[in-house]
Amino acid sequence: DAGVTQSPTHLIKTRGQQVTLRCSPKSGHDTVSWYQQALGQGPQFIFQYYEEEERQRGNFPDRFSGHQFPNYSSELNVNALLLGDSALYLCASSHSGQGYSPLHFGNGTRLTVT
Amino acid sequence: ELKVEQNPLFLSMQEGKNYTIYCNYSTTSDRLYWYRQDPGKSLESLFVLLSNGAVKQEGRLMASLDTKARLSTLHITAAVHDLSATYFCAGDTGNQFYFGTGTSLTVIP
Repeated sequence: DAGVTQSPTHLIKTRGQQVTLRCSPKSGHDTVSWYQQALGQGPQFIFQYYEEEERQRGNFPDRFSGHQFPNYSSELNVNALLLGDSALYLCASSHSGQGYSPLHFGNGTRLTVT
Repeated sequence: ELKVEQNPLFLSMQEGKNYTIYCNYSTTSDRLYWYRQDPGKSLESLFVLLSNGAVKQEGRLMASLDTKARLSTLHITAAVHDLSATYFCAGDTGNQFYFGTGTSLTVIP
């Protein structure tokens, strides 16, 4: 049973560039959430996708955008990168049909902006 | 907005000792979760606490929830080195999880 998979694992970008991160949810899950984890901090909610639409968004600027595909996989795009965007980006999946569902996290993408 | 605070932020304890990590949250949360994160790794779900008075145990870890006090605890019994990690509690309001800043636990032989 494949868990949540993310790619790439590491990425180095320059300020002002754009980046796309990818996520495949755990088998049977239909909801994907993205979190940003800065060093020494807890994960911060970016947004959640369900049925190919952004269902909820955290306090992140419009430079952060996403997409969900019919197979439930998802992309996170960040434009005009800033040094402060350097962080671990975590994708988490869950199933909408459960009354409660702990998030299942991928191993993350470590983004470094220089 | 749900705010989640953990203490202590750093914990160094000897093998065999007991200790408790505390998690306070600011407003009503549907549920309370505990996660573990090893250095450079992702988050692993440990417990989901669904209602007031809920208690869950797995090995040397036991989590409890007091919704009236807005408090959850993670109790460590007879710590072993393998428990060294960062522990996060999180509340949720449906679609969004709110995480504490984590407790970095180091178990010393």
